[in-house]
Amino acid sequence: DAGITQSPRHKVTETGTPVTLRCHQTENHRYMYWYRQDPGHGLRLIHYSYGVKDTDKGEVSDGYSVSRSKTEDFLLTLESATSSQTSVYFCAISESSGTPAGKLFFGEGSRLTVL
Amino acid sequence: TQLLEQSPQFLSIQEGENLTVYCNSSSVFSSLQWYRQEPGEGPVLLVTVVTGGEVKKLKRLTFQFGDARKDSSLHITAAQPGDTGLYLCAGARNTDKLIFGTGTRLQVFP
Repeated sequence: DAGITQSPRHKVTETGTPVTLRCHQTENHRYMYWYRQDPGHGLRLIHYSYGVKDTDKGEVSDGYSVSRSKTEDFLLTLESATSSQTSVYFCAISESSGTPAGKLFFGEGSRLTVL
Repeated sequence: TQLLEQSPQFLSIQEGENLTVYCNSSSVFSSLQWYRQEPGEGPVLLVTVVTGGEVKKLKRLTFQFGDARKDSSLHITAAQPGDTGLYLCAGARNTDKLIFGTGTRLQVFP
């Protein structure tokens, strides 16, 4: 199994509070991704990183920011959580990109509930 | 707008039956992947298809990439309870990110 650790695994918070989810990898993979998973939507990309300090937006980036100061850590921050951000968040890593697309290894997910 | 639509959304069958899951798009993808996800876990890659018309087999699972590289199918022969899970297709349109489909939740009863 790829060494990917997400924390916290479960969190309940209130609307308007800041939340940070952490993804830590021990594989030294270049690419890191944050997805959210909601019923009927599959996985939707929030933000991704293609190197230290190199990040870009995905399809549902509004209300989220990310930072990657070290190869092994990718942080997802909700500056002011809203109920619509209640979801299961998955971090993924990939060694390569291009064609064909690299294999994604996923963490176990972080379940966030915003009341 | 979801670029990759999967059908059916839910599938409940008896052990031993055959089934097909579809992944459709109006966009062309350079490659397409299929993942399976079990409850409480992250998705795990099953296969990557690259060439239009390509067929790959993984034991009882057969994956096909459409000739125009806009769609794909997953066929399971003689389904078993261990096949239960959420099946996700994912297409690559550029070099940095995958677009995931809406998912098909499969339940196989003994």
